[in-house]
Amino acid sequence: EAGVVQSPRYKIIEKKQPVAFWCNPISGHNTLYWYLQNLGQGPELLIRYENEEAVDDSQLPKDRFSAERLKGVDSTLKIQPAELGDSAVYLCASSIGQGGYEQYFGPGTRLTVT
Amino acid sequence: GQNIDQPTEMTATEGAIVQINCTYQTSGFNGLFWYQQHAGEAPTFLSYNVLDGLEEKGRFSSFLSRSKGYSYLLLKELQMKDSASYLCAVDNAGNMLTFGGGTRLMVKP
Repeated sequence: EAGVVQSPRYKIIEKKQPVAFWCNPISGHNTLYWYLQNLGQGPELLIRYENEEAVDDSQLPKDRFSAERLKGVDSTLKIQPAELGDSAVYLCASSIGQGGYEQYFGPGTRLTVT
Repeated sequence: GQNIDQPTEMTATEGAIVQINCTYQTSGFNGLFWYQQHAGEAPTFLSYNVLDGLEEKGRFSSFLSRSKGYSYLLLKELQMKDSASYLCAVDNAGNMLTFGGGTRLMVKP
C-alpha cells in the first residue's frame, strides 16, 4: 500500500513569491491534515479536512495561506506571498477516521524562503 | 490552553533502557500517541494509550496516567537505530493532535 505522497520535497523561493504544496493521502483515508514543523519542534496543525470539508482551520493564517481538497482526495496548500518566517517543513498526514486512529505522515516539503 | 512538556534531549547507551516522560494539560483528552521521527523523515506511529496502564509492543512500552496527566515511553535493549526524536501527542477531540516539542534521543555505543 502506498503511503502519503507529497511534492515537492524541497522548495527554495524568494520572499513575496507564491508557493504551493501537494499531498495525496492513503487511499480510503477520509481525514487529511496539514502541519507545519519548525526545526527542533513538534508539528503544529494548520488545517484538517473531513472529505472535502475543512473542519478546523483555526490555526491557518488566512491572510496568506489557503488550502483546498477538491473531490475529497488530493489536497493543495498555498502560501501567497511567502515570508521569511514561513521557512519550515510542511507535513501532510491522513487517517481513516476520527478518534484514536493513527495518523500516517508524508515525508514533508522543506520550504526555504530567502 | 494546551500544554505538553517533554525533555528536549536525552542520551543513553546501546543495550540500555531509557524512559521518556511526557506531561500534559489539555482542554480535552481522547488518548495519547507516541511517534518516532528520524532526522529529515516523517513521524511514524509507535503507540496509542487511551486507558490508564501499560501497553507493551516489543521493545517499546507506553504508560498512561490520566489522573496525573502523565505518560512515558520506555525503550528497552536500545539500538543505535533508536536515535531519533520521540513526539508525545494528545488527541484533544476527534483526532485533533497537539504535539509536544519532541525529545531527541541519542544512543551511544
